[in-house]
Amino acid sequence: NAGVMQNPRHLVRRRGQEARLRCSPMKGHSHVYWYRQLPEEGLKFMVYLQKENIIDESGMPKERFSAEFPKEGPSILRIQQVVRGDSAAYFCASSPRPATNEKLFFGSGTQLSVL
Amino acid sequence: GNSVTQMEGPVTLSEEAFLTINCTYTATGYPSLFWYVQYPGEGLQLLLKATKADDKGSNKGFEATYRKETTSFHLEKGSVQVSDSAVYFCALRPIINSGGSNYKLTFGKGTLLTVNP
Repeated sequence: NAGVMQNPRHLVRRRGQEARLRCSPMKGHSHVYWYRQLPEEGLKFMVYLQKENIIDESGMPKERFSAEFPKEGPSILRIQQVVRGDSAAYFCASSPRPATNEKLFFGSGTQLSVL
Repeated sequence: GNSVTQMEGPVTLSEEAFLTINCTYTATGYPSLFWYVQYPGEGLQLLLKATKADDKGSNKGFEATYRKETTSFHLEKGSVQVSDSAVYFCALRPIINSGGSNYKLTFGKGTLLTVNP
């Protein structure tokens, strides 16, 4: 019973390139949450998705960032035209139902480094 | 807004030493409080939680008590082991009728604990 799988573990991009981060939730989980941890800060909520729907993207930067969770396949967090300030650890979490009283299951994160 | 402040790390202890990692929070009303742990190479895992004032969460020898009067949720363990070496995150989840979204956790920065044999 695999946990939340994120890949790649480490991603290096040059300024202006695109970054794609993948998250496969636990089996049976249809709710996915993305968090970002900037250096010297705590994890911060970015976006909450269900299959084919964005439920809450209030934590997403207004430009260059997008997220999807298609009917088939992993959830993707996409960052276009990356800048050095995007360097951070990006964590994905999943739950079988809306996380009202459910604990979230986290992946081990993707460390994005922008050169 | 909501915020969590936890003890700066890193913390280095010898095996069997007493551990305290301080955590204080700012939030509307009485949020749920959590400690998550991230072992090397793994995802964050829920360690323990408390959902109302004076509740004590406990797991694997770790304890934390929800203190409303001091808005704190300090993590303690009486005798740490090498296997406890990890990053520890304090977090809160706002209550529903505070206007917050109850799936949005607010985390502290994390405290790296290293336990030496």
